[in-house]
Amino acid sequence: QSVLTQPPSVSGAPGQRVTISCTGSSSNIGAGYDVHWYQQLPGTAPKLLIYGNSNRPSGVPDRFSGSKSGTSASLAITGLQAEDEADYYCQSYDSSLSARVFGGGTKLTVL
Amino acid sequence: QVQLVQSGAEVKKPGASVKVSCKASGYTFTSYGISWVRQAPGQGLEWMGWISAYNGNTNYAQKLQGRVTMTTDTSTSTAYMELRSLRSDDTAVYYCARGGNSGPLGFDPWGQGTLVTVSS
Repeated sequence: QSVLTQPPSVSGAPGQRVTISCTGSSSNIGAGYDVHWYQQLPGTAPKLLIYGNSNRPSGVPDRFSGSKSGTSASLAITGLQAEDEADYYCQSYDSSLSARVFGGGTKLTVL
Repeated sequence: QVQLVQSGAEVKKPGASVKVSCKASGYTFTSYGISWVRQAPGQGLEWMGWISAYNGNTNYAQKLQGRVTMTTDTSTSTAYMELRSLRSDDTAVYYCARGGNSGPLGFDPWGQGTLVTVSS
C-alpha cells in the first residue's frame, strides 16, 4: 500500500464540487513537506495540477484548488466538467524513507 | 517551450538491462534535477529516484537500490535511467520529469513515457 492514502474513486455531476483527500503521517505531510497534485488523463503522462500545497501552474483553471492541514491535504474541483474525468495523484516527501512518495491515485468519474 | 523527450519502447527478456533516455530542451539543464517515475499496467505512480543535473548526486528508491543507475550527459542535456536484472514486474511505462529530490515545486513537465516490456 501507498505511504499516502487516497480514496480509490470519487464521482460528481457536471457543475458540482468534489474533493479528493490525501492522508499522510508525521514523516511526510505532517512534517511540513509540500504536497503536489497531478492529473493523468487516460493514456497520457501525468500533468502538474497543484504545487506547494495550493499553487496553480500557469494554465491550470482556478476551478482546481489545493489545501493542507496537519497530516492531510485535499484537492477541490469546482464546476465539474466532463474533461476533468481522470486519475489524480498526490505527492509529498517522506523523511523516514528519504524519498518522494505518491498516493495510490483517485479515479474521478463525471456522471 | 520546456520539453522532455524520451526514447522509444523496449522489449527485454528477464535478466536483461534497459537504458531509457530523456532529452531536455527549453531550459538550463543543470539548473534542475530529473526524477524518474514508473507506472505498471493499470497501477499507480511509483517514484524511482532522482539525479541532480548540476553535480550528479542521486537518491534512489530503496526497493531499486543496486539495480538502478541514473546518469546525465550535460553536453547533450540528456538524462538516462538504467535498470538491470529485469523481472516481469518491471514491465511498466517509465517517465522522466523535471523536479527536485524534495521541495515546493513538484514535477513539471513530464516526458511522454517509455513502455518497457519484460517477457520471455
